[in-house]
Order: sequence, then C-alpha cells, then structure tokens
Amino acid sequence: EAGVAQSPRYKIIEKRQSVAFWCNPISGHATLYWYQQILGQGPKLLIQFQNNGVVDDSQLPKDRFSAERLKGVDSTLKIQPAKLEDSAVYLCASSRDQDTQYFGPGTRLTVL
Amino acid sequence: QKEVEQNSGPLSVPEGAIASLNCTYSDRGSQSFFWYRQYSGKSPELIMSIYSNGDKEDGRFTAQLNKASQYVSLLIRDSQPSDSATYLCAVTRQGAQKLVFGQGTRLTINP
Repeated sequence: EAGVAQSPRYKIIEKRQSVAFWCNPISGHATLYWYQQILGQGPKLLIQFQNNGVVDDSQLPKDRFSAERLKGVDSTLKIQPAKLEDSAVYLCASSRDQDTQYFGPGTRLTVL
Repeated sequence: QKEVEQNSGPLSVPEGAIASLNCTYSDRGSQSFFWYRQYSGKSPELIMSIYSNGDKEDGRFTAQLNKASQYVSLLIRDSQPSDSATYLCAVTRQGAQKLVFGQGTRLTINP
C-alpha cells in the first residue's frame, strides 16, 4: 500500500510571496489532515477534511492560509502572502478509521 | 497551561537500559492516547496507542495510562541506539479525531 504523498519536499520563498503544497492520501482514506510543525515543537493541526468537507479549521489562519479537497481525494494547502513565522514543516496525514493517522514525508518551507 | 505537556529533554539513556518518557494532559475529556516516534528530518510514525487505564505492551514498548492522574507514559526496554529520536505524545478528545501533540521529548541512547 502506497503511503501519503506530498510535494514539493522543500520550498524556499521570500516573505509576501505565495506558495502551495500538495498532498495525496492513502487510497481509501476518507479523512485528510494538514499539520504545521515548527522546529522544536509538536505538530499543530491546521485543517481536517472528511471526504471533501471541512471538519475542523479552527487553527487555520484564514487571512493567509487556504486549503481545499475538491474531489475528496488529494488536497492543496496555500499560503498567501507568506510571513517569516510560516517557516515550518507542513505535514499531511490521512486516516481510514477514527484513530490511526499516517503521515506523509512533509514539505519543509523556509520564508526569507 | 498547555493541553499536552512533555519534558523536552534531551533524555540520555545507556544502551540496554529502560527509557521512560512521560506526558501529562489537561483535558479530562481526552479519550485516545498515542505515542509517535520522529527521527530527525522525518515525519512522525505511530508506535503505540492506548485507550484504557493500565499497561499495554508491544515488543520492547509499554504504554501506561492513568486517567485519574491525567498521565501517560512510554517505557522502552533494552534501549537500542536506533531508538534515538524525538517521541511525541498525542491525545484526542471524545468524538473528535483531532490529534493534540506535546512538544516532544528528545531521546538519545548512548552505546
């Protein structure tokens, strides 16, 4: 079974630029999550999708972050415009059932 | 008060000894508890889950849960250098799938 796929793996941008990340979950997993992990901290949930509907986006900075999962499969997370404090690893995870979440390799974003 | 708290370490343990990692949580409604291992530059990997009070063993790993004390721990027996990583504690509330993570404990196993 293929794991969660993410791209790109690394991205360097200047502040105020835009960036987008892509995630393809494990086949058959209805729930998809985007987490932000700042260096030295645990991951923080940004948004959770169940199929193509949003379940939880309470910690998503909606003035600059947006996410979509239009067909209930892959998902895109966008930041526009980026700030220095957005430098982090963005992790995508998926789950079939209520508990076990499987993480992708992450995208390391550096904002200069 | 943070929802999930861990000692950030680093925790240094000699090879072959028992490594003990601790985690406390603030929400009494927390229902499911997880330990993830994260190697440097890699993504978190689930190693243990526990849902009821008591101990749960899987190979060299034992998870312990005490809901009255709002405390969960992970014991690693016969520690190996390959166990050197950051260990993340995570909890979910009843009826929610959202994982709330602690900041992680960095563990180093010394040969």
